[in-house]
Amino acid sequence: DAKTTQPTSMDCAEGRAANLPCNHSTISGNEYVYWYRQIHSQGPQYIIHGLKNNETNEMASLIITEDRKSSTLILPHATLRDTAVYYCIVKFDTNAGKSTFGDGTTLTVKP
Amino acid sequence: GAGVSQSPSNKVTEKGKDVELRCDPISGHTALYWYRQRLGQGLEFLIYFQGNSAPDKSGLPSDRFSAERTGGSVSTLTIQRTQQEDSAVYLCASTRTGQFGGYTFGSGTRLTVV
Repeated sequence: DAKTTQPTSMDCAEGRAANLPCNHSTISGNEYVYWYRQIHSQGPQYIIHGLKNNETNEMASLIITEDRKSSTLILPHATLRDTAVYYCIVKFDTNAGKSTFGDGTTLTVKP
Repeated sequence: GAGVSQSPSNKVTEKGKDVELRCDPISGHTALYWYRQRLGQGLEFLIYFQGNSAPDKSGLPSDRFSAERTGGSVSTLTIQRTQQEDSAVYLCASTRTGQFGGYTFGSGTRLTVV
């Protein structure tokens, strides 16, 4: 699976959009981008995934660049409960096999 | 069940003792994963089970670690002769192969070796 690079930490004001970047310059054609988050003392939670088109669900939006070498997770109206570590990973489409989680981005939403 | 269940939620053991950690995946999920997370660090892959295939054990850090999955459902991670560096949260996840939606993780077992 391709390696990803994320900033170590970010802050966001409550009610504003949180934009979390991820670089995956070595991604291959069949690899999907997945995002998870881990709130303190809990197991990671799946957020969203995509291949090349932008995706949106009830939790977030995922914007993938045309060359697929980077993506951005958008939380449109961040709340204090969105404070967590956010992990960006890439993996092949079968959802089989291990995934490599890096250190992620610690997002702190401030009042 | 509705989610991935792990037990115990917390385990304190003495150095040198053996421990068993249990994971009960979501019914029908064919793939099961174990990860380890040390304090303040990211997730470290340990082992992956997929149906009746041989497990991917490439992440097990030493031969003190082993895991099995009985009947394609419940999995047990065993750590023999525990060391202080084994202290971590052990996370289990399951997924239905061939479908999307990511892993469903349990809440983990926090292991403390004293």
